[in-house]
Amino acid sequence: GDSVTQMEGPVTLSEEAFLTINCTYTATGYPSLFWYVQYPGEGLQLLLKATKADDKGSNKGFEATYRKETTSFHLEKGSVQVSDSAVYFCALADTGRRALTFGSGTRLQVQP
Amino acid sequence: NAGVTQTPKFRVLKTGQSMTLLCAQDMNHEYMYWYRQDPGMGLRLIHYSVGEGTTAKGEVPDGYNVSRLKKQNFLLGLESAAPSQTSVYFCASSYASREIEQYFGPGTRLTVT
Repeated sequence: GDSVTQMEGPVTLSEEAFLTINCTYTATGYPSLFWYVQYPGEGLQLLLKATKADDKGSNKGFEATYRKETTSFHLEKGSVQVSDSAVYFCALADTGRRALTFGSGTRLQVQP
Repeated sequence: NAGVTQTPKFRVLKTGQSMTLLCAQDMNHEYMYWYRQDPGMGLRLIHYSVGEGTTAKGEVPDGYNVSRLKKQNFLLGLESAAPSQTSVYFCASSYASREIEQYFGPGTRLTVT
């Protein structure tokens, strides 16, 4: 079945540091890929998405590129802020029932 | 526009008790989902619905039942709660069109003692 693997956390960075959170997937067909963010005590919010190979999703300074050849969708941000502290989930959606398959989540802590 | 709402926000049950979690959405979405979130495991799909009157099993359906009598509501039932069902439950919804972004509710934290 489909699966998503993302790097374990927590990831601790200083403000303005560069962020990479790795995500790889296994799926049949051509899934859509997503990054969701969960701030403390809240539900999940869509951060960005990509629906086909080589697409780049971007939002709020975050970027991720759909790499079919390496089955990856790594999340990057050039300069993190304290307000980016949250848990980040990589996910894919199959084209059938369209439910999401999530990775285990990566907690990011940004220190001033 | 309230989006996706869930009630209750918190609940404590004793083993063997029953309860129903309510999810409501006001976006006229066809698809609705129930997930559970456990530490270190991301979110896992319990049940989902592709339209009013339809339901289907996800990856972890055992011990849960669902109903979708109205398009805007999706109910998750626990008939006889067990400690293993202690979790945070999230409801989500999406359109049936090509755009498959899911919108999530704020979650329900359930503890079974």
